[in-house]
Amino acid sequence: QVPLQESGPGLVKPSETLSLTCTVSGGAVSDGGSISDFFWSWIRQPPGKGLEWIGYASHSGSVNYNPSLENRVTISVDTSTNQFSLNLASVTAADAAVYFCARLSPHWGSMGYWGQGVVVTVSS
Amino acid sequence: EIVLTQSPGTLSLSPGERATLSCRASQSVSSTYLAWYQQKPGQAPRLLIYGASRRATGIPDRFSGSGSGTDFTLTISRLEPEDFAVYYCQHYGGSPPLTFGGGTKVEIK
Repeated sequence: QVPLQESGPGLVKPSETLSLTCTVSGGAVSDGGSISDFFWSWIRQPPGKGLEWIGYASHSGSVNYNPSLENRVTISVDTSTNQFSLNLASVTAADAAVYFCARLSPHWGSMGYWGQGVVVTVSS
Repeated sequence: EIVLTQSPGTLSLSPGERATLSCRASQSVSSTYLAWYQQKPGQAPRLLIYGASRRATGIPDRFSGSGSGTDFTLTISRLEPEDFAVYYCQHYGGSPPLTFGGGTKVEIK
């Protein structure tokens, strides 16, 4: 059972909204606490480049976003389904990347569980 | 704004050698919230070190982290073939709330 699994369209048209879901299961839910004890984060990696933090959300709805993206990003957590989601509006070619979801520990600020990543292409 | 600068960009070493990777913060940061990750091609990053010096579960003891304030180091005491990868440092807290360094690639010499 994969602890975190991203899902969503691999192809998004320019100016449209990118929507991804991350399903949390197994140890990522129960290891070290419950879903309410962690922050749920999205990170992306453009081809050949480094990691870029997008944002994170808690089960209670508190959020923090990368200032460079915050006017286009929404992250939310659904504890009833053990899922959290990413919406990124008005995408351009610069948003093409591998998108990862991860569990962020607020006690240590580190991410011990990651999804395998999903490739998102932006093209008409 | 906290910026993490990693050096060198690329480190060329042979198996069995010692690797020393640097992560410098633009201002003093809490070591509690400094982490290191390893990433291999086509894979997600893997947490190696959290709290600047604590090894994550299952991480071999050849990996160690140290540092405080603005200067942090990841040391791999003896490189194994599977250690050739890209390494990132990451900080949580401050502004922005979370940031990654640009990465250091450890390649086979």
